[in-house]
Amino acid sequence: DAKTTQPPSMDCAEGRAANLPCNHSTISGNEYVYWYRQIHSQGPQYIIHGLKNNETNEMASLIITEDRKSSTLILPHATLRDTAVYYCIVRGRAGNNRKLIWGLGTSLAVNP
Amino acid sequence: DAGVIQSPRHEVTEMGQEVTLRCKPISGHNSLFWYRQTMMRGLELLIYFNNNVPIDDSGMPEDRFSAKMPNASFSTLKIQPSEPRDSAVYFCASTTLGGSSGNTIYFGEGSWLTVV
Repeated sequence: DAKTTQPPSMDCAEGRAANLPCNHSTISGNEYVYWYRQIHSQGPQYIIHGLKNNETNEMASLIITEDRKSSTLILPHATLRDTAVYYCIVRGRAGNNRKLIWGLGTSLAVNP
Repeated sequence: DAGVIQSPRHEVTEMGQEVTLRCKPISGHNSLFWYRQTMMRGLELLIYFNNNVPIDDSGMPEDRFSAKMPNASFSTLKIQPSEPRDSAVYFCASTTLGGSSGNTIYFGEGSWLTVV
């Protein structure tokens, strides 16, 4: 599985958009980009995933560059409850590549 | 759906004792994962099962750790004998195979283990 690189920490003002970057320059054609977050003392929570196209759901938007070597998770209106560690992971669908390889993530602090 | 259910949520045990952690995956899911999380090492995959069969146990730290999945709705992670360095949060996660897009993995709330 390809590795990812994320900034260790970021700050965001409440109500503003939080843009979390992720580099995955060694991603292969059949690997998806997944985003999870982990709020303190809880299990990791799925946010969104994508392959090539940009994706949006009720939680966030995922923007994947055309060359697929990087992506950005966007929380459009961050709230204090969005304070968490955000993990970007690339993962294949087939064969034994179903496991997730976790990096250290980005610790997002949403400030009032 | 109740999500992935883990028990116990918290356990404090003495060194040398046996610890058994339990997991009930989401109904219909056929892949199950055990992870360990510590401040020093982050999230580490210990083992995962497909259709109740262990596929990759390369992350199991040593022979003191063992995992079983006797049926599609239940798995255990056992540590015998436990040591203080086993203190961590242990997460169980599940997903379903196939589908037209990537397989989302869902996590339980974790079992917080302290070995004294």
